[in-house]
Amino acid sequence: NAGVTQTPKFRILKIGQSMTLQCTQDMNHNYMYWYRQDPGMGLKLIYYSVGAGITDKGEVPNGYNVSRSTTEDFPLRLELAAPSQTSVYFCASSERQGLRSSYEQYFGPGTRLTVT
Amino acid sequence: AQRVTQPEKLLSVFKGAPVELKCNYSYSGSPELFWYVQYSRQRLQLLLRHISRESIKGFTADLNKGETSFHLKKPFAQEEDSAMYYCALGTNAGKSTFGDGTTLTVKP
Repeated sequence: NAGVTQTPKFRILKIGQSMTLQCTQDMNHNYMYWYRQDPGMGLKLIYYSVGAGITDKGEVPNGYNVSRSTTEDFPLRLELAAPSQTSVYFCASSERQGLRSSYEQYFGPGTRLTVT
Repeated sequence: AQRVTQPEKLLSVFKGAPVELKCNYSYSGSPELFWYVQYSRQRLQLLLRHISRESIKGFTADLNKGETSFHLKKPFAQEEDSAMYYCALGTNAGKSTFGDGTTLTVKP
């Protein structure tokens, strides 16, 4: 059981380039999330998904796109990379396990992205 | 709108001293509060959730709805507690709002 995996671990992009950050979970969780972590700024939600085929914007969606064709995968697409997108990106998943439980989130190891 | 405030970005204590990391929230519904921890070069992981009322690694946190707070406490800090701590507010919709985090340093 690998949990949540992310690739790549590190990436340097030039301004205007595009890339896809991959995220996969093997816990059969319906809920998946993408966050960015800027120094001293905490975690900001970019996009989230409540199940395959359903996605919605979070707090900071501009410049990003997502898709959710399967339960396991939730890739994040950056089009026309900008220096402001330099950050650490975390993918997470969660699932409510019964009425008395809560949506604790399981995080991937993160992708450190630099745009220059 | 929901909001989580962690007033201290940095907190430094000596080993063996008590530590309290503050967290205040605003939310009109019934909140689910969590503390997550991120040790150096590791992924975020759940430390505590208020619904479980548990103690993990000597840490406890009590939800105070009157003061809208969920402070994290430990009576005797250890060096291995040095990490970044995030307070998070979850909703029935499955989304969570995170605070900006507090970096705890425990000095020998």
